This record gives sequence, C-alpha cells and structure tokens, in this order.
Amino acid sequence: KQEVTQIPAALSVPEGENLVLNCSFTDSAIYNLQWFRQDPGKGLTSLLLIQSSQREQTSGRLNASLDKSSGRSTLYIAASQPGDSATYLCGNYGQNFVFGPGTRLSVLP
Amino acid sequence: DGGITQSPKYLFRKEGQNVTLSCEQNLNHDAMYWYRQDPGQGLRLIYYSQIVNDFQKGDIAEGYSVSREKKESFPLTVTSAQKNPTAFYLCATKGPGAQGSPLHFGNGTRLTVT
Repeated sequence: KQEVTQIPAALSVPEGENLVLNCSFTDSAIYNLQWFRQDPGKGLTSLLLIQSSQREQTSGRLNASLDKSSGRSTLYIAASQPGDSATYLCGNYGQNFVFGPGTRLSVLP
Repeated sequence: DGGITQSPKYLFRKEGQNVTLSCEQNLNHDAMYWYRQDPGQGLRLIYYSQIVNDFQKGDIAEGYSVSREKKESFPLTVTSAQKNPTAFYLCATKGPGAQGSPLHFGNGTRLTVT
C-alpha cells in the first residue's frame, strides 16, 4: 500500500522568503499529483494538479514539480506572504487518492 | 455557484446514537468520496461511489454506512458501532476522466461524540 510523507511537518518563515515543501511516495506509480491548501477548520482547496504525463505546473507564486522516477514532488512558494499560512497537503490519485499528513506553514509578518 | 455543500458544519451527539452527515454537489460529478481527518494524520478514505446506486468500502469503512440514490447526494451515516467517531469529515468529488481531473472538497463537518 502506498504511503506518503511530507517534509517538513511544520515550517515557520519570515515574510518574503522563498520556500520549498516536499512530498514523497513509497510507490513511484504516480498518476495524478495534486497539491492542496487547508485553512484551520476548513476543507481542502486545490492548488495545482500535475497529470501523469506532466512534470510541473505553475499558478502565480506557486510552482509544483514532479519526479516520477524518485517518487517525489515539491511545491515552491515564491515571496511568501502571511496569507500563505496554512497546512499544505499532497495527494496521489492511483486507484484512489492517498494523502500525506501535511506541512503546517506559518509566514510571519 | 458550483460546489460541494456539507452540512451541518458542527454536529454534537451522544454516544450510542447514529448520525447522518450530508454532502450535496452541483458539479455534475459522478465520483464522490468520504474522508476522515484526525489531528496529525492524513486523510483516510471511508467510502466512495463512482456512480449512482453503487459504492465501495474504503480503508476504514467499519462503523459507517452510505447511500447513493441521487447523483447530487452522498450522505454518510456514522453508526454506534464506530468506536471513535469524533473527527473532521470531508466529502469530495471528482470529475470525468480516470486520472486527469482534480479532486474537489467541501468545507467539512466536525463531529463530536460524548
């Protein structure tokens, strides 16, 4: 059964820093890699979707890349802002979605 | 405004009572999912449905039941057999295409059982 890890578990940075969140899968059979944002007490908001034939996706200050050979994905956030503070989760859709536990990000003003 | 509506947002029940969580969608998606989220853990799949009148058990189905009588609705019942029901419950849908469309989530229902 596929397992997903996310490193770091928590991260606190000053405003304006560029940062990288990591997601690793035990099984390199990655079909549909999706990054989500979750605010406290809320559902998950989809940020980026990398389909199996793609290597990266970009949306504004966010860039997600996928290395299927190593079973890893990274989410790059440029020029971080306090409004970016949230938990970020990655998920892989095989037969069904498998999610990581998330990285809790705090961006300090 | 297309989306997924989960109700209620907060739900309190006494131990031993069954409770039903609502999930309604107007995205016209065939696939619907129920997840449970506990602090410090990833989401765990309870049940899913790929089409009306059909559903499958996920990884932690014991103590839960679902129905899928309409495309728009996928209610989840937490029965008294669920040993630790207090959690945050999330409903999700997925559009057509086995792999190429994203998963969409509702805003969740927080269930507290005392």
